[in-house]
Amino acid sequence: AQSVAQPEDQVNVAEGNPLTVKCTYSVSGNPYLFWYVQYPNRGLQFLLKYITGDNLVKGSYGFEAEFNKSQTSFHLKKPSALVSDSALYFCAVRGLLTGGGNKLTFGTGTQLKVEL
Amino acid sequence: DAGVIQSPRHEVTEMGQEVTLRCKPISGHDYLFWYRQTMMRGLELLIYFNNNVPIDDSGMPEDRFSAKMPNASFSTLKIQPSEPRDSAVYFCASSPPRGRNNEQFFGPGTRLTVL
Repeated sequence: AQSVAQPEDQVNVAEGNPLTVKCTYSVSGNPYLFWYVQYPNRGLQFLLKYITGDNLVKGSYGFEAEFNKSQTSFHLKKPSALVSDSALYFCAVRGLLTGGGNKLTFGTGTQLKVEL
Repeated sequence: DAGVIQSPRHEVTEMGQEVTLRCKPISGHDYLFWYRQTMMRGLELLIYFNNNVPIDDSGMPEDRFSAKMPNASFSTLKIQPSEPRDSAVYFCASSPPRGRNNEQFFGPGTRLTVL
């Protein structure tokens, strides 16, 4: 079975500082990895995905994520955080196996708080 | 495109009543997903459809829950009878064809409160 772990319930960062939101995964075969963001009282919005190719993936709003196969990680990063980045962030994985279908498995989410 | 549309946005009902949540996926998308989000359990996949056919309903919690997709532009999630522990935000999402490489697009959710 595929799974995702987000070890931090909350991450606090000062505006202008770099941020990292951690994610590790477990899946049979090569993974498809995603990051989503959820603002209060809204649905999830897609940020970026890794399917194949370069390990550094760039996405929306200046976010990027680094795929590390040996560490089975897919950490979300941003060089300079904004207060408006404060939200709930979800990592998700989709397995390659046919039996996995199109099913995304989400992590428990990490609340990012960016302060002035 | 209007995105994924869900209705109602908020629903308050009493225990024992039937609740029907509605979803219109993005036109051209052939995958549709129903999720439930709670503080205790996070985001759970309940069921998903491909080309209007249910593919995986292993996440549906009980027989009180049922989902249908009568056509490519409409799906319902029904709870009958509803219970207070069903209170949650229910999201619908859709994904384009050959969706393995593609992200899912989420609706705004329906916040259900069962008293």
